Amino acid sequence: QVQLQESGPTLVKSSQTLSLTCTVSGGSISSGNYYWSWIRQPAGEGLEWIGRIYSSGSTNYNPSLKSRVTISIDTSKNQFSLELTSVTAADTAVYYCASGGTIFDPWGQGTLVTVSS
Amino acid sequence: SYELSQPPSVSVSPGQTASITCSGEELGSRYVCWYQQKPGQSPLLVISQDTMRRSGVPERFSGSNSGNTATLTISGTQDVDEADYYCQAWVSNAVVFGGGTKLTVL
Repeated sequence: QVQLQESGPTLVKSSQTLSLTCTVSGGSISSGNYYWSWIRQPAGEGLEWIGRIYSSGSTNYNPSLKSRVTISIDTSKNQFSLELTSVTAADTAVYYCASGGTIFDPWGQGTLVTVSS
Repeated sequence: SYELSQPPSVSVSPGQTASITCSGEELGSRYVCWYQQKPGQSPLLVISQDTMRRSGVPERFSGSNSGNTATLTISGTQDVDEADYYCQAWVSNAVVFGGGTKLTVL
């Protein structure tokens, strides 16, 4: 089974852009009909889907975040990435990447991103 | 926007059956997944497509989905099953998660 690992800055200043990368190991990110997703979870709260990208590059985003989110894929590096612009304290959360687009399995270990003022 | 509603908490005695519900409009017409999350860990897929138990998940976990309600049932609940459980569905080109249910094994 594939494994996923998130990486990127853990502290982002308010109004700036949050950027994270998910590295996939144990399989090719472009093989088969595969989606790759980002999901986040504020401390003590529930899960919020951010969006997904198909191996071909097509995307779907959470309507509530769509204006600020870009998910991209780099098949040469077996990675996919998340950019979230104009962040505020409300964007402070653990960010997970996951394999799949409607069924998420497996998930990365998650990375806590804190937005500071 | 579409919402999935879960009870915030469910309590069960060891060895008894726990039922966690997830409600949404015409939910029975959509596939539902269930995830288990223990403190400090990533969510783990338990059930997909309403009733399919993920490989490695104990047989005491089962799912159903009909009408407006999907249910995760844990038969013979064990202490290790204490966790948060989230339902999830695909609706209008977007993923929706329920608010989560904290299962306490007393």
